[in-house]
Amino acid sequence: DAEITQSPRHKITETGRQVTLACHQTWNHNNMFWYRQDLGHGLRLIHYSYGVQDTNKGEVSDGYSVSRSNTEDLPLTLESAASSQTSVYFCASSDRYEQYFGPGTRLTVT
Amino acid sequence: GENVEQHPSTLSVQEGDSAVIKCTYSDSASNYFPWYKQELGKGPQLIIDIRSNVGEKKDQRIAVTLNKTAKHFSLHITETQPEDSAVYFCAASFSGGYQKVTFGTGTKLQVIP
Repeated sequence: DAEITQSPRHKITETGRQVTLACHQTWNHNNMFWYRQDLGHGLRLIHYSYGVQDTNKGEVSDGYSVSRSNTEDLPLTLESAASSQTSVYFCASSDRYEQYFGPGTRLTVT
Repeated sequence: GENVEQHPSTLSVQEGDSAVIKCTYSDSASNYFPWYKQELGKGPQLIIDIRSNVGEKKDQRIAVTLNKTAKHFSLHITETQPEDSAVYFCAASFSGGYQKVTFGTGTKLQVIP
C-alpha cells in the first residue's frame, strides 16, 4: 500500500545545530507540504512543493529550507535550530483534493 | 491571505449526543473546505470535505454545511461514540488539497461514555 513516512519520529537537538527531517511518500504525488503543529496555532504551513525542483515558502518559513530532487522526497532543513522551533512537524502529500499526512516528527531544541 | 477561525477549542459531550464545530473563513475565493480528524500520536486524516457548489454533505453520522454568503461552515457529528474523541481541524483552500490549505486552530472533542 502507498504511504508517507517521516524520520526520525523523535529528535532532540541543541540550539544552533543544523537538523534535517525526512519525508518520503510512495503515492507518486507531485504536491508535498511541510507543517508545524503548536498548541493554539493548529497546523501552519512551512514550505510546499508542486513538483521536482519546485519549492515555495509558506506562512512560517523563516529558518527553514526544503529541496525537491525527486518526486518521493521532501526533506526539511533547519539551518540553525532555535528553541522557538520546538514543535511537532508533519509532512503531507496530495492528489487533487485530499492531503495525506505522515505520522509526524517531534523535535525538541534545547 | 486566507484566515480560518474555529470554535470551540474544546468540546465535551455525552455519548450519543451531537457535537457541532464551527468555522469561518476570510477569503471569498476559497471553494474547498475539508475537515480532518487527528487521533493522539497520529497525523490528521480527512474525514469529509465540501466544495462550494453544494450547501450540505452527509456521510453516515457526519455532516458538513456551508454558507458561502456568510463565509462559515460547520461539522456535525450525531450519535457520538467514544472513538469520535480526537482533535478536529477545519480548513479552506482555493481549488483543492493539492493547493495551499489554511487550517483552523483545532477543536479537541471528548466523548464521555
